[in-house]
Amino acid sequence: DSGVTQTPKHLITATGQRVTLRCSPRSGDLSVYWYQQSLDQGLQFLIQYYNGEERAKGNILERFSAQQFPDLHSELNLSSLELGDSALYFCASSRTSVPYEQYFGPGTRLTVT
Amino acid sequence: DQQVKQNSPSLSVQEGRISILNCDYTNSMFDYFLWYKKYPAEGPTFLISISSIKDKNEDGRFTVFLNKSAKHLSLHIVPSQPGDSAVYFCAASPLGGADGLTFGKGTHLIIQP
Repeated sequence: DSGVTQTPKHLITATGQRVTLRCSPRSGDLSVYWYQQSLDQGLQFLIQYYNGEERAKGNILERFSAQQFPDLHSELNLSSLELGDSALYFCASSRTSVPYEQYFGPGTRLTVT
Repeated sequence: DQQVKQNSPSLSVQEGRISILNCDYTNSMFDYFLWYKKYPAEGPTFLISISSIKDKNEDGRFTVFLNKSAKHLSLHIVPSQPGDSAVYFCAASPLGGADGLTFGKGTHLIIQP
């Protein structure tokens, strides 16, 4: 158990809909990262938040957004969903702003039908 | 454009022997390298890392070697055990980690009895 929790575990929704994925980092970790893993791709970095502020941005679509709250939990919002958004979404956390040893949650599997 | 490449999608090794997983990178700004291990239905787990100022880092049965001139790193597992069967991801980050971690697509290691 990494100490990082993600909810929900599975999510099935229709095209055009909007969903919110939630992540709680390990106790004491200030950074939260979001990754997408599609079937034919490795883990793609989406975005990083450090102590409530956006710190780094990767291959995140404009339809996707994230935030980190004062209690350090984070939410990833996916809107106008398309079939191609079906993937595993992982959250990870680390103690500092430097993304070296990250601890991953179990992931949320999103299926868009 | 894949900046971190794991060219072997799978590798089969006999229990007790050495497992060698390879990783190549193209971005000369990468300064820190990590290996993660992933079991099905779980998030990746941090295994071992190496900074570009070193060429070797050892932790128990796991050793990572870095050849900066060749832009190549490898993970050695000795001796290989059945519990090592998993997908192994190589990841890299530039100094300061401004762009998060860049992952390879993974190598599925199968340890045969």
